[in-house]
Amino acid sequence: AQSVTQLDSQVPVFEEAPVELRCNYSSSVSVYLFWYVQYPNQGLQLLLKYLSGSTLVKGINGFEAEFNKSQTSFHLRKPSVHISDTAEYFCAVRPYTGGFKTIFGAGTRLFVKA
Amino acid sequence: EPEVTQTPSHQVTQMGQEVILRCVPISNHLYFYWYRQILGQKVEFLVSFYNNEISEKSEIFDDQFSVERPDGSNFTLKIRSTKLEDSAMYFCASSRGKNNEKLFFGSGTQLSVL
Repeated sequence: AQSVTQLDSQVPVFEEAPVELRCNYSSSVSVYLFWYVQYPNQGLQLLLKYLSGSTLVKGINGFEAEFNKSQTSFHLRKPSVHISDTAEYFCAVRPYTGGFKTIFGAGTRLFVKA
Repeated sequence: EPEVTQTPSHQVTQMGQEVILRCVPISNHLYFYWYRQILGQKVEFLVSFYNNEISEKSEIFDDQFSVERPDGSNFTLKIRSTKLEDSAMYFCASSRGKNNEKLFFGSGTQLSVL
């Protein structure tokens, strides 16, 4: 079984400041890792994913995430946020084999202030 | 980019009534899913559907729930006798492949059971 823990339910930050949204996971099998973003009144959109290879992955809108296998973490970062980054961010995992479901964390609400 | 569309965007129903939530997945996708998000809680997997049958379901997806792909384009979720605790945002998603493929989400149907 898999589980995902997002350590912060809300992260307020000023515009142009850096931000890190934390994600830890546990799994008895190898998993793919994802970050999704949900803007108000919209569905979830994929920001980035880690499948294999380089542990630093870059996504859309200037976001990047680093996979750390020893710490079972996949933290999301952006060096300089904009007002438009205000949204809910979800970390998720999906097993390599043997399952169809994606397991989501509880989400982190990023609130960017002017 | 192609989109998953869901109708209606909001549905209000009385407890005990049947509801059908409708989704049109992306046309060349083969895997279809329903997720739900109770207000303030995690996005939860309900069911996956492939090759005209359920491939995996969660413990939430009990006998009150059913899914169907009645034609080549629609994918529906039926709740036979709604309960208050079924109130949630229901997301349809589709993917081209299985494990390492991103999910494309619809914008959701907000179901309110009174």
